[in-house]
Amino acid sequence: NAGVTQTPKFQVLKTGQSMTLQCAQDMNHNSMYWYRQDPGMGLRLIYYSASEGTTDKGEVPNGYNVSRLNKREFSLRLESAAPSQTSVYFCATRRGAQPQHFGDGTRLSIL
Amino acid sequence: QKEVEQNSGPLSVPEGAIASLNCTYSDRVSQSFFWYRQYSGKSPELIMSIYSNGDKEDGRFTAQLNKASQYVSLLIRDSQPSDSATYLCAVNSPRYNQGGKLIFGQGTELSVKP
Repeated sequence: NAGVTQTPKFQVLKTGQSMTLQCAQDMNHNSMYWYRQDPGMGLRLIYYSASEGTTDKGEVPNGYNVSRLNKREFSLRLESAAPSQTSVYFCATRRGAQPQHFGDGTRLSIL
Repeated sequence: QKEVEQNSGPLSVPEGAIASLNCTYSDRVSQSFFWYRQYSGKSPELIMSIYSNGDKEDGRFTAQLNKASQYVSLLIRDSQPSDSATYLCAVNSPRYNQGGKLIFGQGTELSVKP
C-alpha cells in the first residue's frame, strides 16, 4: 500500500525479547492507529494517536507502548514479548472522519 | 452488546448471484460508515463509504444505510469468485478525540462458488 509503510513485514521473536514495529506515512494524515488481528477476533485497536504529540489507549493496550515520533511516524513497542502477542499487526492512518488507510501489516511470531 | 456486529459467516453464494452483507451498530450518534474488503493474508482495503441514509452505488457494489434502525448493508451484484474475501464493516464513533475512531465489526467471510 503506497502511503503507509510498515517494517518489518515478518519477525520471529523469543519470549521476553523486545522489539519495535515501525509505521511511516506520507499521506499527511493527522491520526494514526495500531491494530492487531487474530483469527476470529477481528481488528482490535491497541493504541492510537489523534495528532502529533498525543496517544491514547485502545481496546488491548497491555504489553505495548507507542511513540508518535512526528507527524509521519508512529511506532509500537513490545517490551517483553509473550506468545499471546503472536499476531498480525496493522498500522492505519486517517484524516478527520475520512476512511482509514492501512499498511501491509507485520506478521509477528513469538516462540 | 458489541458496538458493531456482523454475521461471521461464512456466506456462500453461487457465481452471478447477489451477496448481501449486514452490519448493525449500537452508537446512535455514529455518522460515517465504511466497508472494507480483506483478502486472506492481505490488509483491509476500502471499497465503500456512506454518510447519509439511503443507497449508494459504485459499480457492482451498493451500500445501504438506515440510521433509524442502526444498520448498514453491502450488496454485491453479479458476484464473482474474485469477490471471495472477508468484508469488514466499520463505523465512525465521534465520541473519541478529534474526529473519532473507527469501530470494526468481526467481519463476514464471503465465498463465491463458480
